[in-house]
Amino acid sequence: EVQLVESGGGLVQPGGSLRLSCAASGFTFSSYWMSWVRQAPGKGLEWVANIKQDGSEKYYVDSLKGRFTISRDNAKNSLYLQMNSLRAEDTAVYYCARRMAAADRYNWFDPWGQGTLVTVSS
Amino acid sequence: DIQMTQSPSSLSASVGDRVTITCRASQTIGNFLNWYQLKQGQAPNLLIYAAYTVQNAVPSRFSGSGSGTDFTLTISSLQPEDFATYYCQQSHSIPYTFGPGTKLEIK
Repeated sequence: EVQLVESGGGLVQPGGSLRLSCAASGFTFSSYWMSWVRQAPGKGLEWVANIKQDGSEKYYVDSLKGRFTISRDNAKNSLYLQMNSLRAEDTAVYYCARRMAAADRYNWFDPWGQGTLVTVSS
Repeated sequence: DIQMTQSPSSLSASVGDRVTITCRASQTIGNFLNWYQLKQGQAPNLLIYAAYTVQNAVPSRFSGSGSGTDFTLTISSLQPEDFATYYCQQSHSIPYTFGPGTKLEIK
């Protein structure tokens, strides 16, 4: 069964840091782009970042560039999101998702993990 | 960035109803449009990708259509488990962007 399990969320003070992890199983992790998507309380979904299979390409939403870093360890089948200088507006459930793609460039997120809640508050 | 809008923002319907949700992109995106279902406390679930391809294991009552800037998600006969929030997402260009969601509630 293809599965993604996030961990590492919690309560952190403004200005603090947190590292999220996503453990993948049931598929060849190193063959897929991976992504992080978040949902703030009462808000919609927001794509955060993508990372290529070998980690050589990374893309971020502009508003988070410089504060968040996506990375992966293919030997451990794991995806990470390092979050620095956290702000109250970063409070959200963070999902990891596998980015599926077809030969004609179509791409989509499937599956998603259950998410991990990050709360930034003093 | 490509902006996505959805209508309606919320919808009350009954089991057995036919429901249509509309998604519009701020610029043409071809068929680079996906639909997801989100239930409280659960992982988001892919329903439709590339505008009209139904994901494996998704019931046939779900269908997608459209191209360019205007897209629709249709549920042909609502079932109790379909009451959830639905999001469209463009995968044409980064940053990938989602619509604001349509909350489908029981009438």
